[in-house]
Amino acid sequence: ILNVEQSPQSLHVQEGDSTNFTCSFPSSNFYALHWYRWETAKSPEALFVMTLNGDEKKKGRISATLNTKEGYSYLYIKGSQPEDSATYLCAFTAYSGAGSYQLTFGKGTKLSVIP
Amino acid sequence: DSGVTQTPKHLITATGQRVTLRCSPRSGDLSVYWYQQSLDQGLQFLIQYYNGEERAKGNILERFSAQQFPDLHSELNLSSLELGDSALYFCASSVGRTGHSQETQYFGPGTRLLVL
Repeated sequence: ILNVEQSPQSLHVQEGDSTNFTCSFPSSNFYALHWYRWETAKSPEALFVMTLNGDEKKKGRISATLNTKEGYSYLYIKGSQPEDSATYLCAFTAYSGAGSYQLTFGKGTKLSVIP
Repeated sequence: DSGVTQTPKHLITATGQRVTLRCSPRSGDLSVYWYQQSLDQGLQFLIQYYNGEERAKGNILERFSAQQFPDLHSELNLSSLELGDSALYFCASSVGRTGHSQETQYFGPGTRLLVL
């Protein structure tokens, strides 16, 4: 059973603060790691797909780093805004056979940005 | 809007009943995935279909089944429902290229099932 852990479970920050959270995953048989943003009452929305050790991806104020050797990824949000309030999910790609891959999700980090 | 549609949005039913959840993938996507989100659990992968054929199975109960039709829409059938089956059920789709580990999955809005 693959274990994908996210911490912290929830986070409250003030508007303008920068924040980061962690995703831990198995360091063997690594294929890819996905980050998703899930706002309440909406669908999870893809943020990044990361594949190479040392990868760093950025989208606006949100960035992510990847360390496949030690099995972790960090998601950073610079200058948090109320609209950043959401649950951030990471998903580890595992091979499921016949050329297909499946995602194993962590339980997410719920971010609340207080105006 | 991801382009993935799911119906119905909400479903309330009784224990022992059977329900069908429907999903239409994004235009051009051949793969459909079903996930279950229960209280305090992460998104649990149930099953994947690719171009009408089952491709991968996850933690899907024997009471649950799915299929993908020639027009690529998919249905998830849940039978002999129990209280513990109450959850949010998501469908996702991707292009489904064989051997591509980096494919993004696009999620629908989900169906919230309540079993009373």
